[in-house]
Amino acid sequence: KQEVTQIPAALSVPEGENLVLNCSFTDSAIYNLQWFRQDPGKGLTSLLLIQSSQREQTSGRLNASLDKSSGRSTLYIAASQPGDSATYLCAVPGSGNTGKLIFGQGTTLQVKP
Amino acid sequence: GAGVSQSPSNKVTEKGKDVELRCDPISGHTALYWYRQSLGQGLEFLIYFQGNSAPDKSGLPSDRFSAERTGGSVSTLTIQRTQQEDSAVYLCASSIQGTSQMFFGSGTQLSVL
Repeated sequence: KQEVTQIPAALSVPEGENLVLNCSFTDSAIYNLQWFRQDPGKGLTSLLLIQSSQREQTSGRLNASLDKSSGRSTLYIAASQPGDSATYLCAVPGSGNTGKLIFGQGTTLQVKP
Repeated sequence: GAGVSQSPSNKVTEKGKDVELRCDPISGHTALYWYRQSLGQGLEFLIYFQGNSAPDKSGLPSDRFSAERTGGSVSTLTIQRTQQEDSAVYLCASSIQGTSQMFFGSGTQLSVL
């Protein structure tokens, strides 16, 4: 059974710092991995989708890497801003070819001005 | 539509009542998913639709929960005889097909008193 773990559960940094969020998964037979952002009281916004054939994806100040063999992904946020404060979730496909996702518990990030 | 739309955004009901939650996916998206997010818990998969059929309903917690999708578009999640433990945010998501990037609605906050 696929399980997804995110470390740390919470993180507080001063504005301008570079930071790394970690995600690990138990079953490496995945075809993609997604990172999402969730603001309080809101739904999820897809940030990056990495296909299993890719090693990393970049969008602006965000860079996500994927190492299938070790069951790990990282989300790197450069030059953090207060507006980056949110909960970040990683997700991998569950069993069967339905596209349903198995989510980690998330990392809640606070960037202080 | 421009995004996944869910209604109502908030629903307060009394224990024992039935509730209906609605999801309007992005136009052209054939895959539709329902998830539940309870306080302090991660996202829990409920059901997956491909078109109007539900090939994976393994996440529905009990027979009080049901869902349907009509016209390959709008979906309704029905909870009968609501219990306090049903209180959660119910999130709907859609994707072009089952294995592509997933887009979420803002959710329905359900409170059972």
